[in-house]
Amino acid sequence: NAGVTQTPKFRVLKTGQSMTLLCAQDMNHEYMYWYRQDPGMGLRLIHYSVGEGTTAKGEVPDGYNVSRLKKQNFLLGLESAAPSQTSVYFCASSYSAGSTYGYTFGSGTRLTVV
Amino acid sequence: GQQLNQSPQSMFIQEGEDVSMNCTSSSIFNTWLWYKQDPGEGPVLLIALYKAGELTSNGRLTAQFGITRKDSFLNISASIPSDVGIYFCAGLNYGGSQGNLIFGKGTKLSVKP
Repeated sequence: NAGVTQTPKFRVLKTGQSMTLLCAQDMNHEYMYWYRQDPGMGLRLIHYSVGEGTTAKGEVPDGYNVSRLKKQNFLLGLESAAPSQTSVYFCASSYSAGSTYGYTFGSGTRLTVV
Repeated sequence: GQQLNQSPQSMFIQEGEDVSMNCTSSSIFNTWLWYKQDPGEGPVLLIALYKAGELTSNGRLTAQFGITRKDSFLNISASIPSDVGIYFCAGLNYGGSQGNLIFGKGTKLSVKP
């Protein structure tokens, strides 16, 4: 029972490079989310998806794109990485908007942009 | 937008002591959740609260949903070294398509053996 799996766990990028973070869940959850966590800032929502083929902007969407081509996968893309995107990224999923069990989180991707 | 004020930001306590932290908001929430994040891991749900006034326990943890629906607290009794981590409160409102959790900024707990 893997839950939410994020790849890669660590990555270092040069400014201007692009990359894609992959999130996969095996719980048949409809909703998926991407958060970033910065020291003293808590967790801030980047983008989310309420179902396959749908995406929407969260609190801090600029500089990121997402896709949800399959229900179990939610991809986060950085087209041109900037140092301000150095952060720990967490993917989460939930059965519904008001899920009784809250959200299940992955273990995170630590991204450094130099 | 909605914001949660979580306090304290950090705590340094001795093993065996009790811990209390809280979250307040200017907005009403339908659900309050408390998460714990171990170093290098994602947040894990500890307790979920669904009704105003509700008091729920999970082992040494006790959490309450404030009557005004604008606050919640988490208590940890008889702390042990493995309680170390960051504790987040989160508020959730139903309705709409988003169902977004609003997170507090966390309380970092350190426990001295």
